[in-house]
Amino acid sequence: EDQVTQSPEALRLQEGESSSLNCSYTVSGLRGLFWYRQDPGKGPEFLFTLYSAGEEKEKERLKATLTKKESFLHITAPKPEDSATYLCAVTTGNQFYFGTGTSLTVIP
Amino acid sequence: EAGVAQSPRYKIIEKRQSVAFWCNPISGHATLYWYQQILGQGPKLLIQFQNNGVVDDSQLPKDRFSAERLKGVDSTLKIQPAKLEDSAVYLCASSLNPGGWGSPLHFGNGTRLTVT
Repeated sequence: EDQVTQSPEALRLQEGESSSLNCSYTVSGLRGLFWYRQDPGKGPEFLFTLYSAGEEKEKERLKATLTKKESFLHITAPKPEDSATYLCAVTTGNQFYFGTGTSLTVIP
Repeated sequence: EAGVAQSPRYKIIEKRQSVAFWCNPISGHATLYWYQQILGQGPKLLIQFQNNGVVDDSQLPKDRFSAERLKGVDSTLKIQPAKLEDSAVYLCASSLNPGGWGSPLHFGNGTRLTVT
């Protein structure tokens, strides 16, 4: 069965404390993996697309990496404004499969 | 570029009433999706359009939900009659290419529906 699992469900960090979020997937024929940020009361905001194992993308304090079975979203020296839910999604070219997200709280 | 527009932002109705949501995708995006997101969960696909044709509506509860995309641009999603379990955020998304090939989904801010 195609599915996406994110861990941890929730993460609390002190400002400046780096960490990683995990997205593991079991799909037949991965055609892309996407990371989104979702703030309360808003729709998911696109962050990164990764297509092949070994690929990496960076944006400010965020860095996404991809292997054959999972992706990591590394957050370096986070700030309170990085607090949000981070969603992972994969596509087989026909369908998108979403994880349930990791709720990140960064404490000043 | 202008993002995906959705209205209304909030809606409260009683069970058995009907409700409709509207979505205007990003200009030029041929693929449009409606998702349902229950608190604490990831988005769940309800229906996918390619231009004005339905690509996937396998998870749409067709006894109460309907959707259309006239002229391949705007779309409306309707629920009639609503049930308590329909309380959720309804997200519209669009993309240049179907299925995510070469382009991600871009989401609107959703409509939060509360059924009492």
